[in-house]
Amino acid sequence: DAKTTQPTSMDCAEGRAANLPCNHSTISGNEYVYWYRQIHSQGPQYIIHGLKNNETNEMASLIITEDRKSSTLILPHATLRDTAVYYCIVILEGNTPLVFGKGTRLSVIA
Amino acid sequence: GAVVSQHPSWVICKSGTSVKIECRSLDFQATTMFWYRQFPKQSLMLMATSNEGSKATYEQGVEKDKFLINHASLTLSTLTVTSAHPEDSSFYICSARRASGIQDTQYFGPGTRLTVL
Repeated sequence: DAKTTQPTSMDCAEGRAANLPCNHSTISGNEYVYWYRQIHSQGPQYIIHGLKNNETNEMASLIITEDRKSSTLILPHATLRDTAVYYCIVILEGNTPLVFGKGTRLSVIA
Repeated sequence: GAVVSQHPSWVICKSGTSVKIECRSLDFQATTMFWYRQFPKQSLMLMATSNEGSKATYEQGVEKDKFLINHASLTLSTLTVTSAHPEDSSFYICSARRASGIQDTQYFGPGTRLTVL
């Protein structure tokens, strides 16, 4: 699976959009981009995933660049409860398990 | 949908005893489940992949005789930590893969915090 690079930490003001970048320059054509988050002392929570096209759901939007070498997770109106470690994971389609890196620690500030 | 539960949520045991952790997919069937371990201030580490009705596949460095995994049904997998020692104290998290058309998604349980005295 392709390696991902994320900033170690980010701050965001409450109510503002949080934009979390992820670099995956070695991604291959059949690898998906997944985003999960882990709030302290809880199991990871699935947020969103995509292959080529931008995706949106009730939690977030995922913007994937045309060359697929990077992506951005957007939380449109961050709240204090969005404070968590966010993981960007690239994974082959099919049965391979998720492998977690260090992620980005997002702190939403009142 | 896509809820995964774990039981217990926390457990304290004496050194040398065995502890069983259950993982259930509540509203879907999971042919594949995964077990992860997380030490303080670290990321999740995959321990093993479990397929229903077959033996688990363990990651390098994980002792299969110490961490017994059983996946007897499409909704239940168990992890038994045998002869637990203080260094086994950790946050254990299970995950179940839900098939959803083209691409499956892994959903995670809330975790079980094990403390070995």
